[in-house]
Amino acid sequence: SQKIEQNSEALNIQEGKTATLTCNYTNYSPAYLQWYRQDPGRGPVFLLLIRENEKEKRKERLKVTFDTTLKQSLFHITASQPADSATYLCALDSTGFQKLVFGTGTRLLVSP
Amino acid sequence: EAGVVQSPRYKIIEKKQPVAFWCNPISGHNTLYWYLQNLGQGPELLIRYENEEAVDDSQLPKDRFSAERLKGVDSTLKIQPAELGDSAVYLCASSLRQGAGELFFGEGSRLTVL
Repeated sequence: SQKIEQNSEALNIQEGKTATLTCNYTNYSPAYLQWYRQDPGRGPVFLLLIRENEKEKRKERLKVTFDTTLKQSLFHITASQPADSATYLCALDSTGFQKLVFGTGTRLLVSP
Repeated sequence: EAGVVQSPRYKIIEKKQPVAFWCNPISGHNTLYWYLQNLGQGPELLIRYENEEAVDDSQLPKDRFSAERLKGVDSTLKIQPAELGDSAVYLCASSLRQGAGELFFGEGSRLTVL
C-alpha cells in the first residue's frame, strides 16, 4: 500500500542547533515533493518544492534533499530558533497532476 | 494581495444538522481544493476543481457531502446530515494552475459535531 511516513513523535532541539526532519514514502513515484509549515489553528504554509531530478534545494536557513532511490526526503533547519517551532508536513504529487498527498507531519519544538 | 479566505472559522452543530463552508480563493487561481484535516493528521484531499469543473472528487463521501464552484471562483462545501465523525478542520487551498506546485491554504473551518 502507499504510505508517507514522518516521525510522529515531536522533535525537541536547542536553539542554534540544526533540526533534521524525515519523510519516507513507499509505492509512490513522485515528480516532486513539497514541505509545508503549519502552526496551531492555522493552515499550512508552503516552504519548499524539490523535483525528482534535483538532489538538494536551499532557501535561507532551510535545506531539502530528495533521494528517489531511498524514497526519502530530509528537511533541515540550520541555526534553529524558537520561532521555528511548528508542525512540518511533507507532501508529494502522487499522479503528476497536482494531487498532493500529505504526511502526518512532525512537530518541532526549539527551546531557547 | 489577499490570501485564501474561509468562513466560518468555527462551527458547532448537533448531529444530523446541515453545515456549509465557504471559500474565496486567491484572485486568478484556477485550481481550488478542499482538504479535511483530523487532529494530529495531515490534510486529506476531498475534492479538486479546475475552474468550475470538479476534476477529482474520488475522496468525497457523496452520500452526505457536496461541493460547488459556481463561475469558477468561490466554492462551497456542504455536509448534510452531519455525523459525529465529521468533526475536523476543513481546509480550502488554491493554486495558480494545475501542476504549478505551491498550494496556498486558508485558515480552515473547524467543525465540531455534538
